[in-house]
Amino acid sequence: AQTVTQSQPEMSVQEAETVTLSCTYDTSESDYYLFWYKQPPSRQMILVIRQEAYKQQNATENRFSVNFQKAAKSFSLKISDSQLGDAAMYFCALQGAQKLVFGQGTRLTINP
Amino acid sequence: EPEVTQTPSHQVTQMGQEVILRCVPISNHLYFYWYRQILGQKVEFLVSFYNNEISEKSEIFDDQFSVERPDGSNFTLKIRSTKLEDSAMYFCASSEEVSFFGTEAFFGQGTRLTVV
Repeated sequence: AQTVTQSQPEMSVQEAETVTLSCTYDTSESDYYLFWYKQPPSRQMILVIRQEAYKQQNATENRFSVNFQKAAKSFSLKISDSQLGDAAMYFCALQGAQKLVFGQGTRLTINP
Repeated sequence: EPEVTQTPSHQVTQMGQEVILRCVPISNHLYFYWYRQILGQKVEFLVSFYNNEISEKSEIFDDQFSVERPDGSNFTLKIRSTKLEDSAMYFCASSEEVSFFGTEAFFGQGTRLTVV
């Protein structure tokens, strides 16, 4: 079975500061992908960043980057220069053989 | 930009009634999914669909649920006899490649189902 755990139900950060959201996972598969999705109040699911498990290099997308530690099964998301528009629920997700398995989510608040 | 479209955005139904949630996936996509999110909880996989048949389903997807691609464009989720606990946000998603592994799943905006 695949599991994804986000141990931080809520996080807050000052605008323009950096915040890191944690995610750990468990899978018996050797090949898989990891994703971070953002869910704003509109509740749409928006892909933020993805990481291929076979790649050692951490993925980056503008202000968003990940710290992927395969041996530790850890996949954290770092948001630099936080903006008010970053406020949302963030879900970590694991994709093995088809479906996405999501974590419980972390609600991120940006303080102006 | 192509997008996954879901209708209706909000559906209120009486307990025991049948509902059909509709989705129009991105046109060249081959894999289709339904997920659900009970308010305040995580997103859960319901079912995946490929080549006109279910390829995987979760324990949640019991005999009350069915999926169909009736006309080559729409992808529907039917709940035969709704229960209060079916109240949730239902997301449709689709992905492009035959080798769907790791391919980005594009999500619709969701249908909020309220069972009263």
